[in-house]
Amino acid sequence: DGGITQSPKYLFRKEGQNVTLSCEQNLNHDAMYWYRQDPGQGLRLIYYSQIVNDFQKGDIAEGYSVSREKKESFPLTVTSAQKNPTAFYLCASTELGQGLWGANVLTFGAGSRLTVL
Amino acid sequence: GEDVEQSLFLSVREGDSSVINCTYTDSSSTYLYWYKQEPGAGLQLLTYIFSNMDMKQDQRLTVLLNKKDKHLSLRIADTQTGDSAIYFCAETEGGGADGLTFGKGTHLIIQP
Repeated sequence: DGGITQSPKYLFRKEGQNVTLSCEQNLNHDAMYWYRQDPGQGLRLIYYSQIVNDFQKGDIAEGYSVSREKKESFPLTVTSAQKNPTAFYLCASTELGQGLWGANVLTFGAGSRLTVL
Repeated sequence: GEDVEQSLFLSVREGDSSVINCTYTDSSSTYLYWYKQEPGAGLQLLTYIFSNMDMKQDQRLTVLLNKKDKHLSLRIADTQTGDSAIYFCAETEGGGADGLTFGKGTHLIIQP
């Protein structure tokens, strides 16, 4: 079955360490996204990529980095510069413009929960 | 920037209808979405509507859009315990290739 796989599901990190969250999709989707979810805060966009080897900052990109070397992969690195990294991280993807009326319908992974000790 | 507002909690009795409301500020919003999130899981698309539509119905779900008031609602008929989740309203301008803007989510609580 096609879908989005995020790993690890749970991750613990010491302060000052970088950590990389994996996101892989086998849906042949063009665009991929990283969102951060905090309790009572909804989802906030970190980075997105519409094509291989290109990506754009979202609303809260500071302290994060991404790469898009392959269409199916969009890893997110949470760096030590991120002041409050404990959160639930969600990866999503879409086939651009293929929804009804040209809409972009995001498919989400199951999420990765990062806790900084 | 764009803003999407939702009430944080809604409590309904099992078997009743649930109505979850959402307001948005971007008059250029083209598509509006409803997603469902169960505990510890990702988001699941429920339905979406194009901005030139007033209503969309899909089985137990009815979406109403009042573009003049920038108000979107999701009605769930015959609410069941399995409907207990967080419901997110989201919008995008144009095709949405640069991502969706989400509300903070409404926790739907089902009373027996």
